[in-house]
Parts: sequence; C-alpha cells; structure tokens
Amino acid sequence: GEDVEQSLFLSVREGDSSVINCTYTDSSSTYLYWYKQEPGAGLQLLTYIFSNMDMKQDQRLTVLLNKKDKHLSLRIADTQTGDSAIYFCAGARDTGRRALTFGSGTRLQVQP
Amino acid sequence: GAGVSQSPSNKVTEKGKDVELRCDPISGHTALYWYRQRLGQGLEFLIYFQGNSAPDKSGLPSDRFSAERTGESVSTLTIQRTQQEDSAVYLCASSFPGRSPGELFFGEGSRLTVL
Repeated sequence: GEDVEQSLFLSVREGDSSVINCTYTDSSSTYLYWYKQEPGAGLQLLTYIFSNMDMKQDQRLTVLLNKKDKHLSLRIADTQTGDSAIYFCAGARDTGRRALTFGSGTRLQVQP
Repeated sequence: GAGVSQSPSNKVTEKGKDVELRCDPISGHTALYWYRQRLGQGLEFLIYFQGNSAPDKSGLPSDRFSAERTGESVSTLTIQRTQQEDSAVYLCASSFPGRSPGELFFGEGSRLTVL
C-alpha cells in the first residue's frame, strides 16, 4: 500500500511564504493533490499536479513535484490568517482502486 | 443541493448501539466515497461506489461496518454494535465522471462519539 507522510505543524508570520512538504512511497501515483481543511469543515481541493509535471502555479499557490525523491511541496505566497488550516497531500492512481491515500495533514498556523 | 450533504452532523451513542450515517452527493456525481477521520489523523478510506459497479469495500475495518447506495444518489453507512474506537468524523465525498480520480467534493462530515 501507499504511505504519505507530512510534518505535523508549521507556524509562519502573516505575509511570509509557507512551504508544506509531503513524501509518498507509491511511484504509481498518477495524480497528487493538496486539500485544505478549515476547522469544523470538510476538505476542499486546492490544487493538483499530474505526475509528468514538475511544477504548477495557481495564483498564490505553487506545487513542486520531485518524482525521483517522491517529494511534493505546496508553497503559499504572502500567507494570510485565512490560510490557517490543516493541509493534506494525497495521491491517486489512474487505474485500479480510484481512492485517494491521504497524509496525516500539516496544521498551518499563521501569526498576525 | 449545491454541495455534498451529510446527516446527522453530530451523533452521540452508547457502546453497542447501531448507527446510520447518511450522505447526499452532488447531483450527477456517479462516484461516492466514505472516509473516516480520527482525531488528529488523516483520512482513512472505507468504501467507494461507482455507478452500478460493485462497490470497493476494501477499506471497511470490520464486518460491523456496511454501506449501501441507491442508484447514483443517497448512501448510508451503517455501524453495528458501535465501539469506542469507532468515534471519529465520517466524511462522504462525491466526484464527477471525467475528472481526475482525486477531485473529490467533500461534505462537512458526521461526528460520531461512542460513549
């Protein structure tokens, strides 16, 4: 099975950049995702990257993928207090069981 | 509705009782998933429905857990003879055909507390 690992906690100051890291074991993951979970809410898809890409940028979000090292990161530029949440990375294959394997989540705390 | 709807939002039950959790997916979403999220942990896959295909039940932790789905609409997750370790938030998600496999729309979850 696949393991997805994330650091548990990150604290940054408002206006700084945040970088949340993730490592995964399944090289068959075709897609890699970042989800955000605000307190008391369900998960919301932020962005995803296809495995043949190295980078994807979407406004303040930049996703970097290093397939060789099985490392995924999410950079949030100009972090705001509204970005405080838990961020989950997840991987999925294009075939077979079409279910995501989630990491345990990184809690991002943004200090004003 | 506009989003995935789950009910109840909170359920407190006594050990040994049965519980039913309900999920209304977004209209037109053929795929439906149930996940479990224990406190401070990631999401644990439970079961996946896709259209009229046989469901993928490989994530159900024991035979006390079962789920049904009526066509491409409502799903019910049933936990029989609840145990304290069943306490968690149960999240339902749906997805639209043609999207990448992980583009899921989640409900807000049903928080289950077993006393």
